[in-house]
Amino acid sequence: SQTIHQWPATLVQPVGSPLSLECTVEGTSNPNLYWYRQAAGRGLQLLFYSVGIGQISSEVPQNLSASRPQDRQFILSSKKLLLSDSGFYLCAWSGGRREKLFFGSGTQLSVL
Amino acid sequence: AQSVTQLGSHVSVSEGALVLLRCNYSSSVPPYLFWYVQYPNQGLQLLLKYTTGATLVKGINGFEAEFKKSETSFHLTKPSAHMSDAAEYFCAVSDQYGAGSYQLTFGKGTKLSVIP
Repeated sequence: SQTIHQWPATLVQPVGSPLSLECTVEGTSNPNLYWYRQAAGRGLQLLFYSVGIGQISSEVPQNLSASRPQDRQFILSSKKLLLSDSGFYLCAWSGGRREKLFFGSGTQLSVL
Repeated sequence: AQSVTQLGSHVSVSEGALVLLRCNYSSSVPPYLFWYVQYPNQGLQLLLKYTTGATLVKGINGFEAEFKKSETSFHLTKPSAHMSDAAEYFCAVSDQYGAGSYQLTFGKGTKLSVIP
């Protein structure tokens, strides 16, 4: 069966520090991968999605970037965190073709 | 482009009472519709989905939702609320996004509180 792993679960970082959140999927190949951010009262905002290795699409201009170095690995990064980057970050995957998303357990990021 | 509107960011019901969470959508193609539940500090879990066929779909934990095309709605219901139903619920619509790729657009969520 397929599983999705996301880490760390919580992270507290100072403003201006770098960020790296990692997500891996097991039990499937060539998944569509997504990074969402959930801010209080704002629902889920799609940040990046990827349909294949090295293929990244960005939804909103921001301080963040994403990379997909391997088929089942998706990384969210920042060179310098801002206070506004605080939030709950969720990685997700799907098999494509309008299928449901499977979510990781999320990372609560606090930028202080 | 698709969008989802969830009416009410916070809903409170008494234990044993009917749960009704409202969702309206817009989509340029026949929609696939989803309800997800999120417990505190966790990811989202799928409750149920509508793709095609029967418009009343049943999900986990006694929840169900009815797709009403004429009303562009997909409201979530449960006849009798349980304390364990307290969580945040998200409605989502799936639409084409890029060549051969689809994405889900989520509503802003409805936080359900259950009063003992």
